[in-house]
Amino acid sequence: GESVGLHLPTLSVQEGDNSIINCAYSNSASDYFIWYKQESGKGPQFIIDIRSNMDKRQGQRVTVLLNKTVKHLSLQIAATQPGDSAVYFCAERAGGADGLTFGKGTHLIIQP
Amino acid sequence: GAGVSQSPSNKVTEKGKDVELRCDPISGHTALYWYRQSLGQGLEFLIYFQGNSAPDKSGLPSDRFSAERTGGSVSTLTIQRTQQEDSAVYLCASSLGRQETQYFGPGTRLLVL
Repeated sequence: GESVGLHLPTLSVQEGDNSIINCAYSNSASDYFIWYKQESGKGPQFIIDIRSNMDKRQGQRVTVLLNKTVKHLSLQIAATQPGDSAVYFCAERAGGADGLTFGKGTHLIIQP
Repeated sequence: GAGVSQSPSNKVTEKGKDVELRCDPISGHTALYWYRQSLGQGLEFLIYFQGNSAPDKSGLPSDRFSAERTGGSVSTLTIQRTQQEDSAVYLCASSLGRQETQYFGPGTRLLVL
């Protein structure tokens, strides 16, 4: 069936470096994509989203890139900080659907 | 302003008992969602409410699961005759309107013994 998945379950980066978290999706009907950050014991926290009519969107220290040709989504975090350590989920929504379909998550570890 | 709140934060119950989980959405948000997050897994969509319309129940895993939303605000997710496989974190989210950004609460951690 259609699914959203992540390439790397764990990503370890040095503090201050940039990090890139990747996500593949297979539902060509998806028109909305979103990244969440989840810290231990907490609910998912919204980071950034992007609609399918865009290929790039920037926030504070974060950038989301969407490549519809290869159905790929990425989250770039600039100058990572210890507080960025968390599990990051990508999610997609097919046009007309109500709920989001989530990937399994990538655990980002920031090393001092 | 206040975010989505959920109660209880933790619930331990015995197999076969019924449980009720509560969600208070962000004030003014008309859309409300329930998700389930099992250990080490991503989030699984359960049910969606939009205003006073009939809910989208397409994600409910069995007829033991039900939810209601009173007055277009607070929602209760009920699990009847709980099973051990129901152990998970149950997350509620709300959005300003349909297909707007969803904001999540802290979740209720359910453990069925």
